[in-house]
Amino acid sequence: AQKVTQAQTEISVVEKEDVTLDCVYETRDTTYYLFWYKQPPSGELVFLIRRNSFDEQNEISGRYSWNFQKSTSSFNFTITASQVVDSAVYFCALTPPDIMDTGRRALTFGSGTRLQVQP
Amino acid sequence: NAGVTQTPKFRVLKTGQSMTLLCAQDMNHEYMYWYRQDPGMGLRLIHYSVGEGTTAKGEVPDGYNVSRLKKQNFLLGLESAAPSQTSVYFCASRPTGVRSEKLFFGSGTQLSVL
Repeated sequence: AQKVTQAQTEISVVEKEDVTLDCVYETRDTTYYLFWYKQPPSGELVFLIRRNSFDEQNEISGRYSWNFQKSTSSFNFTITASQVVDSAVYFCALTPPDIMDTGRRALTFGSGTRLQVQP
Repeated sequence: NAGVTQTPKFRVLKTGQSMTLLCAQDMNHEYMYWYRQDPGMGLRLIHYSVGEGTTAKGEVPDGYNVSRLKKQNFLLGLESAAPSQTSVYFCASRPTGVRSEKLFFGSGTQLSVL
């Protein structure tokens, strides 16, 4: 069984502050994929990143960075110099690879962290 | 460039009424999924389909039925709506192929059952 825990229900910061969203996962699979999705107030789900469990290198994309630590089963997401447009609910998700390409592997989501960035 | 389209976007039902949510994708994806989103619980898988004419149960299938008569469409039905089915429903799809686990989501349907 898989499980994704996002212990931070809601975070509020002031614009330009850095903020880290935590994600801890449980899986028995030796290979898996981790994801982050953003859900802005408009409601749609926006894909941010996918990380293969084999690749433990941190990744940076503009103001966004991700810290994957297999030893602690964590995949944390940091926003540097936050902006009001970053206000959203952020979901971390996990899936084993669909090695046999059956379509029967679906994402398991955490409960989400609501980030509010105040001007 | 529509992607995944869900209709309707909003709906209010009375307990016991029935309705169908439509999901349509124009990306020729083989696999389609229905999730529900509830506060504090994230997204949970209701049903999914691995191809035209196939459906399977997910984590929370009770009270829902689905059909995939055409590859591009995946319908979610509520035969007798209950207040516990008040939620936001998301449809998602993805293509076949290894390393294609990324899901493409629709914009959601907000359903209230009174």
